[in-house]
Amino acid sequence: SQKIEQNSEALNIQEGKTATLTCNYTNYSPAYLQWYRQDPGRGPVFLLLIRENEKEKRKERLKVTFDTTLKQSLFHITASQPADSATYLCALDRGAAGNKLTFGGGTRVLVKP
Amino acid sequence: DGGITQSPKYLFRKEGQNVTLSCEQNLNHDAMYWYRQDPGQGLRLIYYSQIVNDFQKGDIAEGYSVSREKKESFPLTVTSAQKNPTAFYLCATQVRLEAFFGQGTRLTVV
Repeated sequence: SQKIEQNSEALNIQEGKTATLTCNYTNYSPAYLQWYRQDPGRGPVFLLLIRENEKEKRKERLKVTFDTTLKQSLFHITASQPADSATYLCALDRGAAGNKLTFGGGTRVLVKP
Repeated sequence: DGGITQSPKYLFRKEGQNVTLSCEQNLNHDAMYWYRQDPGQGLRLIYYSQIVNDFQKGDIAEGYSVSREKKESFPLTVTSAQKNPTAFYLCATQVRLEAFFGQGTRLTVV
């Protein structure tokens, strides 16, 4: 069956360090993968999109990698700040009509000052 | 101010009651989606619509219904047939692969 998995345990990290989150998937062949940020009680907000032919993408302090052989994406927050504390969701396209996305369960990040 | 407006923010439903969640957008996007989010789980797709007067079932459509009479509006009705409706409901639009979400409606059965 198709699955997309993120570490369900919260990631506690000290301010200034790099947070690394993992997104693994099985039985998908996505053309692209996305990362979203979600704050408590609010809707997700788009952060980054990486295509299957891209190895790495950066946006300010964020970096995403995409390894289609390992079926894995890594999401890095460098020089983390308390304001980065949130839940981060990965999503991938199903390659089907309707541009439907499948979301992982998210990983909560807590950055301590 | 462009965006997606969901209302109400909190909704309480009695057993056997139908309730309708509102979703309005002024982004002029064609595609709209409804997701359900349960604690610790990924967003699950309920229904989606790519154009006015057309909509498709998602992965968990049973017990839900939608309409798309206007481009701006995509209301979701949670019917009494939905046995476990307590969840956080998110409406989204999507354009050029990027999804835009509303602020969600938290539905609780009392």
